[in-house]
Amino acid sequence: EVQLVESGGVVVQPGGSLRLSCAASGFTFDDYTMHWVRQAPGKGLEWVSLISWDGGSTYYADSVKGRFTISRDNSKNSLYLQMNSLRTEDTALYYCAKDKGGGGYDSWYFDYWGQGTLVTVSS
Amino acid sequence: SSELTQDPAVSVALGQTVRITCQGDSLRSYYASWYQQKPGQAPVLVIYGKNNRPSGIPDRFSGSSSGNTASLTITGAQAEDEADYYCNSRDSSGNQGVFGTGTKVTVL
Repeated sequence: EVQLVESGGVVVQPGGSLRLSCAASGFTFDDYTMHWVRQAPGKGLEWVSLISWDGGSTYYADSVKGRFTISRDNSKNSLYLQMNSLRTEDTALYYCAKDKGGGGYDSWYFDYWGQGTLVTVSS
Repeated sequence: SSELTQDPAVSVALGQTVRITCQGDSLRSYYASWYQQKPGQAPVLVIYGKNNRPSGIPDRFSGSSSGNTASLTITGAQAEDEADYYCNSRDSSGNQGVFGTGTKVTVL
């Protein structure tokens, strides 16, 4: 059974930093591209970032480019999101999501999601 | 980045058919995927690609696309289909993802 478990969400002040983690199990982690998606309270979904199976390719939404860094450790079946220069508008539930592709192919379809970790940016 | 526009809300009588649309320029280049989200739960993939359903998704869900518009159709809506639905695609550059604005489906 595929499982994605996010952690690391806390209350942080504007301008602060935070690292989110996502522990993956139930599939061959290093075969798949992974994504972060967020959802502000009461709002819609927003794609945040993608990392390819080997970490060689990364993409970011304009809203986080230059502030967030996605990474992965395939030896630990883990995905990360380093968040710097946090703003109040970054307050959201952050989901990690598995790409459906595999084998080096990025489908940009998200077939498994975690339950999310809540990041609150507030003074 | 591109935008994907959805109607904010639609309603459907139990057992009837409802179509949800998603419009955006990037849909001329990329297929959409569709996600169902119920309150307090993570989204669930219901349709991807041309018209593919993941395992476990009922066949009353189907997808289609024409020009800059993607559609999700629920044929014979059930009470458990009441949820928010989001489309998703790449943006026109192909290097960013974009979600639609979301449609709240109410089953009467």
